[in-house]
Amino acid sequence: AQSVTQLGSHVSVSEGALVLLRCNYSSSVPPYLFWYVQYPNQGLQLLLKYTTGATLVKGINGFEAEFKKSETSFHLTKPSAHMSDAAEYFCAVSAGGTSYGKLTFGQGTILTVHP
Amino acid sequence: EAGVVQSPRYKIIEKKQPVAFWCNPISGHNTLYWYLQNLGQGPELLIRYENEEAVDDSQLPKDRFSAERLKGVDSTLKIQPAELGDSAVYLCASSLDGGTTDTQYFGPGTRLTVL
Repeated sequence: AQSVTQLGSHVSVSEGALVLLRCNYSSSVPPYLFWYVQYPNQGLQLLLKYTTGATLVKGINGFEAEFKKSETSFHLTKPSAHMSDAAEYFCAVSAGGTSYGKLTFGQGTILTVHP
Repeated sequence: EAGVVQSPRYKIIEKKQPVAFWCNPISGHNTLYWYLQNLGQGPELLIRYENEEAVDDSQLPKDRFSAERLKGVDSTLKIQPAELGDSAVYLCASSLDGGTTDTQYFGPGTRLTVL
């Protein structure tokens, strides 16, 4: 079985400040990890994903995430927040075995950016 | 390239009425997914198709929910009869081949309100 826990349902930052959204996963097989963003009344859009290789993954809009196996974490960061980053962010895990091809999502973190 | 198309975007019905949602995936994508997203939650998989075959419908409440993907392209998700607890956003997604590292592309969703 696989699961994802996102720490903090709401995160608020000032424009220009560091964004840190936390994600921890549980998987009995090597995981593949994803971050998606959802703007109001829109579908989910992929920000980045980790499959194999380099553990620091760069995505769109200046976001990046680092896969840390020892900590079972895949936290999302951005050095400087923009107003346009305000949205809901979802971490997800995909694994093989009986869960092949299935994405399991976390509860989501709503990011608010203050001027 | 056109994205995943869903209709209708919004639907309001009274309980015990039937309702249907339609999805047109990205051209060439063999795998199609239906997700349920409750307010404040991450999406949860209802059913996954590989071409015309439903390969994972373990989370689909089969007493009232049904789905089909005729000719391996468009798909329809139906609820009959709808209950108050079915109020949620129904998301459709597609991917090239449904692999564990494959990116899933999401439509904007259908927001269902059951009165």
